Amino acid sequence: DAKTTQPTSMDCAEGRAANLPCNHSTISGNEYVYWYRQIHSQGPQYIIHGLKNNETNEMASLIITEDRKSSTLILPHATLRDTAVYYCIVRLEYGNKLVFGAGTILRVKS
Amino acid sequence: DGGITQSPKYLFRKEGQNVTLSCEQNLNHDAMYWYRQDPGQGLRLIYYSQIVNDFQKGDIAEGYSVSREKKESFPLTVTSAQKNPTAFYLCASSPGLAATIFAYNEQFFGPGTRLTVL
Repeated sequence: DAKTTQPTSMDCAEGRAANLPCNHSTISGNEYVYWYRQIHSQGPQYIIHGLKNNETNEMASLIITEDRKSSTLILPHATLRDTAVYYCIVRLEYGNKLVFGAGTILRVKS
Repeated sequence: DGGITQSPKYLFRKEGQNVTLSCEQNLNHDAMYWYRQDPGQGLRLIYYSQIVNDFQKGDIAEGYSVSREKKESFPLTVTSAQKNPTAFYLCASSPGLAATIFAYNEQFFGPGTRLTVL
């Protein structure tokens, strides 16, 4: 199963773009990259997912490198409410399980 | 409103007692999951169920038991055999087998139950 590597923590100024990197060098061809976030003491919240093309929705953009070995989640205009732990997950083929690593703690500061 | 509910939000039990955590969903999802989260850690999968009357062990199933008698319900029992039961427990569901596009099978999470064993 492909694993992911993320920085432990990052800081971002309010109103600026937050760029959260993720390495998944062992990803296989039919595995998707998912991003979730978890605000303190709440359940994780789905953000976005993609296979190989860049994706954008109302919350964020996902940039996946051509070799698919890494990706970046972009929050275009970070707010204080975006402070959370962000999980980059490669989806397992067997069943629907998601394997969560430690994630990146994003602190948005005013 | 559609969603996943977990109750109670906070639960206290004495050591050696079994305790059952509730998880209900009205999203008509086939698959349901239980995760455990310890402070500063990611989520770890305890059990999951793809369909009614069937469930599989996750990565840390020892000391836990589940049942899936109804599609909308997936209760988790923390038994006295679980050595470190104090944790934040999260239930999730996904369309599972009902998903027409398998890859779009995101999981929806409940608010969680914080269990403290005294």
